Amino acid sequence: DIQMTQSPSSLSASVGDRVTITCRASQNIDTSLNWYQQKSGKAPKLLIYAASSLQSGVPSRFSGSGSGTEFTLTISSLQPEDFATYYCQQTSRTRGFGPGTKVDIK
Amino acid sequence: QLLESGGGLVQPGGSLRLSCAASGFTFSSYAMNWVRQAPGKGLEWVSSISGGGGDTYYADSVKGRFTISRDNSKNTLYLQMNSLRAEDTALYYCAKDSIFSLNRGDWFDPWGQGTLVTVSS
Repeated sequence: DIQMTQSPSSLSASVGDRVTITCRASQNIDTSLNWYQQKSGKAPKLLIYAASSLQSGVPSRFSGSGSGTEFTLTISSLQPEDFATYYCQQTSRTRGFGPGTKVDIK
Repeated sequence: QLLESGGGLVQPGGSLRLSCAASGFTFSSYAMNWVRQAPGKGLEWVSSISGGGGDTYYADSVKGRFTISRDNSKNTLYLQMNSLRAEDTALYYCAKDSIFSLNRGDWFDPWGQGTLVTVSS
């Protein structure tokens, strides 16, 4: 099975900050990597698919990069509505999620 | 739109069948998925099924106990859960896949709001 890790597990940031979250896969998954945002009490929402493609309707301050085993999600200027938990997901072999990164207010 | 139902309280060892009614897209053209989230925990992929229903994947944690199926004539996805354990307690989401088959490189969008399953005596 492919294991997914995320770092950090949580972070505190201020509005306007640049935030970077890292996701690592235990083996090569090419670009079969997606990012989701989940706000408290809500269903997850797709942000980035295929490592770097922005889902329609998602603000351009979100971006993704990487391939192989290391990936990043970047929020260029954190907004109040971005405080949430972020999950990476691999769809290379079966499917699996990373443990999540909680972004809260400093 | 995806609307899950069928959750509830069940005793350990019991069974439950979840449903996910789909609307707004051509249901039979897309694979479908179940994902769960235990209280206060992260997302755990559970199972996936191809658009035609011929291919299925399961997480090791549910293999042999859960069965995913679909009725394309009713635009409905199912998850039959048997031999339930306390650790199966979670909010169960259904999610539409981006493609028909269970190939690499797909993604889940959109997701339903979930149905809560509680396994307890």
